[in-house]
Amino acid sequence: DVKVTQSSRYLVKRTGEKVFLECVQDMDHENMFWYRQDPGLGLRLIYFSYDVKMKEKGDIPEGYSVSREKKERFSLILESASTNQTSMYLCASSLKTGGWETQYFGPGTRLLVL
Amino acid sequence: DQQVKQNSPSLSVQEGRISILNCDYTNSMFDYFLWYKKYPAEGPTFLISISSIKDKNEDGRFTVFLNKSAKHLSLHIVPSQPGDSAVYFCAASAEGAGNNRKLIWGLGTSLAVNP
Repeated sequence: DVKVTQSSRYLVKRTGEKVFLECVQDMDHENMFWYRQDPGLGLRLIYFSYDVKMKEKGDIPEGYSVSREKKERFSLILESASTNQTSMYLCASSLKTGGWETQYFGPGTRLLVL
Repeated sequence: DQQVKQNSPSLSVQEGRISILNCDYTNSMFDYFLWYKKYPAEGPTFLISISSIKDKNEDGRFTVFLNKSAKHLSLHIVPSQPGDSAVYFCAASAEGAGNNRKLIWGLGTSLAVNP
């Protein structure tokens, strides 16, 4: 079974803090994704990466950056957290070819920015 | 502009009956469609998918129907069980240029199956 793990289930941070959300997958997937989920807005793609050291902006990249130094790890960084970044953050991974459409998700990190 | 639309935010059905969740899309380039299920405080889990070369795919109690001419797909759950109560997301993909392999998601439909 694919396993995608996220470093924290719940996180509370203060406005202006730098926040790191870590995601690790154990299935040697090339593609990795960061989403946020908010009520009434569904899943919105922040950034994705299709290879080590590669990254692509998603639909809402503002206020975020990412890092992919190793294939299995994809980090989301909030440079200066703001209250409007309070959300559920979901990491996902998928193969590059042959079934790349199917994304496997981690359990999510619920972030509260005060 | 939502390219993938789930027009019903919520649906309530009785246990044992059929649940039908609908999804409409606008981009005729979409060639693969997926349904995901999400419980509160968990990540979405893949449920079932369908390629545009098919009009039906079945997996146990779950069947997805695709009507390309209407740009419509539906997920049928028969019989519905209380454990099916969750938010269901429809997603679509198109072979993008280069490495732009991302899914386009609907906003979800919250299904409640009542005992």
